[in-house]
Amino acid sequence: EDQVTQSPEALRLQEGESSSLNCSYTVSGLRGLFWYRQDPGKGPEFLFTLYSAGEEKEKERLKATLTKKESFLHITAPKPEDSATYLCAVQANTDKLIFGTGTRLQVFP
Amino acid sequence: NAGVTQTPKFRVLKTGQSMTLLCAQDMNHEYMYWYRQDPGMGLRLIHYSVGEGTTAKGEVPDGYNVSRLKKQNFLLGLESAAPSQTSVYFCASSYEGTYGYTFGSGTRLTVV
Repeated sequence: EDQVTQSPEALRLQEGESSSLNCSYTVSGLRGLFWYRQDPGKGPEFLFTLYSAGEEKEKERLKATLTKKESFLHITAPKPEDSATYLCAVQANTDKLIFGTGTRLQVFP
Repeated sequence: NAGVTQTPKFRVLKTGQSMTLLCAQDMNHEYMYWYRQDPGMGLRLIHYSVGEGTTAKGEVPDGYNVSRLKKQNFLLGLESAAPSQTSVYFCASSYEGTYGYTFGSGTRLTVV
């Protein structure tokens, strides 16, 4: 069964304290791995798509990487405005995404 | 450019009542999806559509029906609401299945 697990469930960081969020997955034939950001009371906002092991993508203070079993979302020198829930999703050989339960990130000044 | 618009934003229903949630997208996307989001459960797919006139069941389809009569609209219906359907409902669309989804802002539904 296709499955996505995110860790940790919650993460508290001081402003400027870099860290990483983990997304481990088991799927039969990965077509893509997606990262989203979700602010309270809003819909998820698309960040990145990774398609193959070894691929990396960056956007401002965020960098996503992919291996055959997991993906990491690295946050470098985070700011309070980076506080949000970060969702990981995978697509196997279907037209559907399977989402993890997310990591709630809080960055304090 | 509105993207994905969901109506209504909030609704309170009594058990047994029916309602329809409307999702509209202006990006000419072929694929549209309905998800529900519950604490600790993540986003779970209810129904989806890969084009006008098509629908398919997702992970949690029981108690819901959908229709895609026009390419830009995807309707989610609850025929007889139950308290277990209290949730936040999100609609999403994508150009093609492997592209990133664009989500609406959600409908918060409470069934009492």
